[in-house]
Parts: sequence; C-alpha cells; structure tokens
Amino acid sequence: QVQLVQSGAEVKKPGASVKVSCRASGYTFTSYDINWVRQATGQGLEWMGWINPHNDNSGYAQKFQGRVTMTRNTSISTVYMELNSLRSEDTAVYYCARGPNKDYWGQGTLVTVSS
Amino acid sequence: QSALTQPRSVSGSPGQSVTISCTGTSSDVGYYNYVSWYQHHPGKAPKLLIYDVIKRPSGVPDRFSGSKSGNTASLSISGLRAEDEADYYCSSYAGSYTYVFGTGTKVTVL
Repeated sequence: QVQLVQSGAEVKKPGASVKVSCRASGYTFTSYDINWVRQATGQGLEWMGWINPHNDNSGYAQKFQGRVTMTRNTSISTVYMELNSLRSEDTAVYYCARGPNKDYWGQGTLVTVSS
Repeated sequence: QSALTQPRSVSGSPGQSVTISCTGTSSDVGYYNYVSWYQHHPGKAPKLLIYDVIKRPSGVPDRFSGSKSGNTASLSISGLRAEDEADYYCSSYAGSYTYVFGTGTKVTVL
C-alpha cells in the first residue's frame, strides 16, 4: 500500500533552517511528483512547491522562492523540504503529498519556530 | 497567487445536502479542468475526495460530487453524515507548474 512517512517534529529558533523528510513506499518512487503543503495554526492549506523524483526538477510557490529547496534521494525513496530563514509565521504542520492530485499524504510534521 | 475563495462555513442536518463553492479566476479554476477537493479532519492528513473537477478516487462515496461553471467550482455532499463534519479545501492548477488552495470551509452537521 502507498505510504508517505515524514520525519518527526522540530523546534527551531528564528533565522535557522529546517529540513523535513518524506519517505515513500508502495509504488514506484520516480513515477510521481511530490508536493509540499503546509498549514499554520488556525490557517488553511498552503501549497509550497513540488519535486519530480525522476529528474530532480522542482518548482516553488512565489512566496517561498529563494527560501525553500526540495531535493530527493532515489536510493532511499525519500524527498526533502528545506526551509531557511525561519520566522515565527513558519510555525506550521508540513505535509508531503503524492502527485498532481495529491492522492496520498504524509502524516504531517510540526515545525515550531520560537525563540 | 491568491487563495481561491470559499465560504467560511456551511451546515446541514443529517441526510440533507450541502454545497461548497470555490471561486477563482480565469487563470486557474476558469482555465484548467484540474480542480481537486480535500476533506481534512483536524489532526489527520487531508484526504482526496475529487480530482479533475468531477472524478472520484476509488473508495470515495458517490455522496460526494464535483462540478464547475466558469471561475467557480463546487463540491456537493448529499446524505450528510456526522462523519462528514470536517474542513474542506479546493485546489486548482494555476499554470506554470503551480497550484493554489482555497481558503477552506468548515462543514458542521447539526
């Protein structure tokens, strides 16, 4: 069965970086893009960007351009989302989701940014 | 890219039907037939209900249906059940390999 398993919760100070992982199983890893979506407390879902595990192409929402990097390691079927220059407004649950339809989601990773 | 506009909340009694609107622009909802809908129970991962405006993944009850007219997409839930109480989000492809979500709608089962 398709599964996306994310890394655990993180606590970071303002200005730091965070790297969240998403390990895929149950399907051919390189056949589907992975999207990253976040939800800040009390807010809605926000699309951050995508990565194509086959060719390493990626695309980011304009809001996160220059601050986010999405990478992958095909040998362990894992994608990563790194967000830099963290601020309090980045406190959120971050999700990975498969494909353009986002048909499978990871369990979410809480990133807390606090001094 | 601005979020798609959804009503903040809708409600209905068990067995009734509710419809959630999702208004975008001629550059996203109105241009592409790539609108999806997600059900999100707090503390859980979102679940895909509808994709490509009208298609339902296997396992999603036919009580959930999607449609689109112009720049507005809609999700209808018929035969409302207690377990349908959740937040619902639309999403659309917005061109240039980007996507946008809606503002979200809380569905309350009275």
